[in-house]
Amino acid sequence: AQKVTQAQTEISVVEKEDVTLDCVYETRDTTYYLFWYKQPPSGELVFLIRRNSFDEQNEISGRYSWNFQKSTSSFNFTITASQVVDSAVYFCALSGTTGANSKLTFGKGITLSVRP
Amino acid sequence: GAVVSQHPSWVICKSGTSVKIECRSLDFQATTMFWYRQFPKQSLMLMATSNEGSKATYEQGVEKDKFLINHASLTLSTLTVTSAHPEDSSFYICSAGGQGRLNSPLHFGNGTRLTVT
Repeated sequence: AQKVTQAQTEISVVEKEDVTLDCVYETRDTTYYLFWYKQPPSGELVFLIRRNSFDEQNEISGRYSWNFQKSTSSFNFTITASQVVDSAVYFCALSGTTGANSKLTFGKGITLSVRP
Repeated sequence: GAVVSQHPSWVICKSGTSVKIECRSLDFQATTMFWYRQFPKQSLMLMATSNEGSKATYEQGVEKDKFLINHASLTLSTLTVTSAHPEDSSFYICSAGGQGRLNSPLHFGNGTRLTVT
């Protein structure tokens, strides 16, 4: 069975601080995908990143960066110089790679509040 | 632009009535669609997987006779909440994947907020 653990439930930072959101996963699949989604108060899910299990390179996209460590089954997300607009719930998710196996298993989410 | 359209975005209905939610893939053929439910301040839980032209696969604990899923075409899946009750009030969101997109991020609709009074 697949499992995603986001141990942090709520994080509050002051604008311009850096913040790291942790994600630990469990799967028996040899190939899988890891995702991060952002859910603002309006409810829609905003796709942020997908990482293939074969690709352990870290990725940076503007103020966002992701650290994938297969050895520790972690896929952490860092926001640099946080902004008020980053306030949202962030979900880490895991899926298989084909067909119905591509259903997503979500973590419980982390509520990030960025104060001005 | 949006690649998955979900309608309606919100609906209020009376207890005992049925509500239909549509999920459309806009620029690709979705062979597989997923329906999730999210209660307030909780995570998204998969309800069922629908495959075009075949019966949906429901997750454990989800009543298939209450949550009817139809995936009759490669661009449309519908979820009907039958005989809705207040405890069915939730945020329902669909995602779609398709041939050629199995390796692509799953696209989500904007969700439907259902309130049963």
